[in-house]
Amino acid sequence: DVKVTQSSRYLVKRTGEKVFLECVQDMDHENMFWYRQDPGLGLRLIYFSYDVKMKEKGDIPEGYSVSREKKERFSLILESASTNQTSMYLCASSLVPLIRVGDEKLFFGSGTQLSVL
Amino acid sequence: AQKVTQAQTEISVVEKEDVTLDCVYETRDTTYYLFWYKQPPSGELVFLIRRNSFDEQNEISGRYSWNFQKSTSSFNFTITASQVVDSAVYFCALSDSGTYKYIFGTGTRLKVLA
Repeated sequence: DVKVTQSSRYLVKRTGEKVFLECVQDMDHENMFWYRQDPGLGLRLIYFSYDVKMKEKGDIPEGYSVSREKKERFSLILESASTNQTSMYLCASSLVPLIRVGDEKLFFGSGTQLSVL
Repeated sequence: AQKVTQAQTEISVVEKEDVTLDCVYETRDTTYYLFWYKQPPSGELVFLIRRNSFDEQNEISGRYSWNFQKSTSSFNFTITASQVVDSAVYFCALSDSGTYKYIFGTGTRLKVLA
């Protein structure tokens, strides 16, 4: 079974801190995603990566950056955390080539609940 | 523009009742995909089903069934004889072929009471 692992289940940070959220998948998937989940808003895409060092902005990239130096690892970076970034962050991956990304199911991690105080 | 609407924010049923979760979508594309995911309290979204726009056949998997109707742009999910373990948040999602953007609904929280 595909395993998507997020490094922390709960994280508490202070305003202005630089925050790293890590995600690792163990099935050699091409594509990796970072979503943010908020009550009443569903899941919103922050960033997508379809290959090492390749990335695309999602719907809400402001205040975030990403890094994909190795195929299995996709990091989300909050350069200067703010209280409005308090949220559940979900990492996902999928296998198929870029042209067919929308066709295929996603495999999700368990999420990181980030609180910014 | 693409959109997915899950009008039911929360549903509570008693164990063994049948329950239907509604999903209405909007898209201008002729080729698209619809998904349902389950998010239990552990947090991880789990894939349940994928349906493409050319396949309107209903599907049944054990106690789960899905009704896809292009005429009403709906992809509803029914759980028969619900169980406590079905308690979760359920998300409907839409994507167009060739895009990496999945549009998720806001989710329906299902509570199954013993």
